[in-house]
Amino acid sequence: DTAVSQTPKYLVTQMGNDKSIKCEQNLGHDTMYWYKQDSKKFLKIMFSYNNKELIINETVPNRFSPKSPDKAHLNLHINSLELGDSAVYFCASSHGELTEAFFGQGTRLTVV
Amino acid sequence: QKEVEQNSGPLSVPEGAIASLNCTYSDRVSQSFFWYRQYSGKSPELIMSIYSNGDKEDGRFTAQLNKASQYVSLLIRDSQPSDSATYLCAVNMKTSYDKVIFGPGTSLSVIP
Repeated sequence: DTAVSQTPKYLVTQMGNDKSIKCEQNLGHDTMYWYKQDSKKFLKIMFSYNNKELIINETVPNRFSPKSPDKAHLNLHINSLELGDSAVYFCASSHGELTEAFFGQGTRLTVV
Repeated sequence: QKEVEQNSGPLSVPEGAIASLNCTYSDRVSQSFFWYRQYSGKSPELIMSIYSNGDKEDGRFTAQLNKASQYVSLLIRDSQPSDSATYLCAVNMKTSYDKVIFGPGTSLSVIP
């Protein structure tokens, strides 16, 4: 059983489109995250979501919006995609915000 | 000073040698420290977590933490070619909220 799974694994889309990435965890964790890893491989946190409290990284454009239907799911919706949004997006989960995070396999987003 | 710093490498060691990976962080009150390994094209996977000053050993891996010096390291004994990967240091930071910040990673190459 995959602990943290995200779909799709690859996503190629045109500028201006809206797309969503789904994430599910079966670890019983209460905190989920979205990270962005750019071409320089730097992993930056975008959001954390804990007990319905959303913590937003202030540098994330408001075109990005996380949506959590329940504790096991945290989806990422992106409006009006731009070339600079091309990156690998990782979902992760943990018990609380200061413990080990477990990552999904990543979604490679390419905006053309 | 950047929040979490690592030598980008690449660090090359011969097979069987000890690989030493270093990380410094800026937040004096950080309490949680993690080492992740990321193979090319894969997601980060947790190797070790450490919360107290001193050494923590797990198999061939030893994490060392010195909070006074704001320094955490990872030693890999008897390095194997399969250890070739990027190693990410992650540290919790408390600004307006708790978050875990990743360093830029150190690329390790173990030469057979």
